[in-house]
Amino acid sequence: QKEVEQDPGPLSVPEGAIVSLNCTYSNSAFQYFMWYRQYSRKGPELLMYTYSSGNKEDGRFTAQVDKSSKYISLFIRDSQPSDSATYLCAPQGVSNYQLIWGAGTKLIIKP
Amino acid sequence: DVKVTQSSRYLVKRTGEKVFLECVQDMDHENMFWYRQDPGLGLRLIYFSYDVKMKEKGDIPEGYSVSREKKERFSLILESASTNQTSMYLCASGPPGAGKTQYFGPGTRLLVL
Repeated sequence: QKEVEQDPGPLSVPEGAIVSLNCTYSNSAFQYFMWYRQYSRKGPELLMYTYSSGNKEDGRFTAQVDKSSKYISLFIRDSQPSDSATYLCAPQGVSNYQLIWGAGTKLIIKP
Repeated sequence: DVKVTQSSRYLVKRTGEKVFLECVQDMDHENMFWYRQDPGLGLRLIYFSYDVKMKEKGDIPEGYSVSREKKERFSLILESASTNQTSMYLCASGPPGAGKTQYFGPGTRLLVL
């Protein structure tokens, strides 16, 4: 079993829809949870991160962590074609602070 | 802004060639990383370095070596390139510690023929 599971998609939704992207993880010791966005032929860039359980909001983006069920979510409101990208979740390892990467979900927002 | 640069965006090499991929960061970060990214497999860590001349193997170090002679520069070496090393290679840097992120370069797309 992988430490982080993420559906690779693609997930295709119409412009303006609310998007929900999700990951599950197996290590209950994870405390920091990162979301990266990667446009085609570019390197990943940090979108936002949360510490422990709870929500964090940044504009149209909300990150949510439920440690009891080991479930990580990223919500995008009022989705735009420019949000089309691959989204990677990455909890941070405990022993050496490395990031443990999900496979990434490809998101397509149709105009 | 943090800047991580990689020496080439695209590279074509022949089987058996020795390949050097260079990465430079300008933020004085202690940690540097080399990943490869393949469709459906996500990012896989090849090697990372937490200080000059220090390195640790990641998940898939076989067929690769690294060099870090200066803090800002981290090189990935493919000793004898093989076709199964055709991939996107991503370099990242970051400060150490809990909650610290990694900053990525644009990637090098390597094709081994």
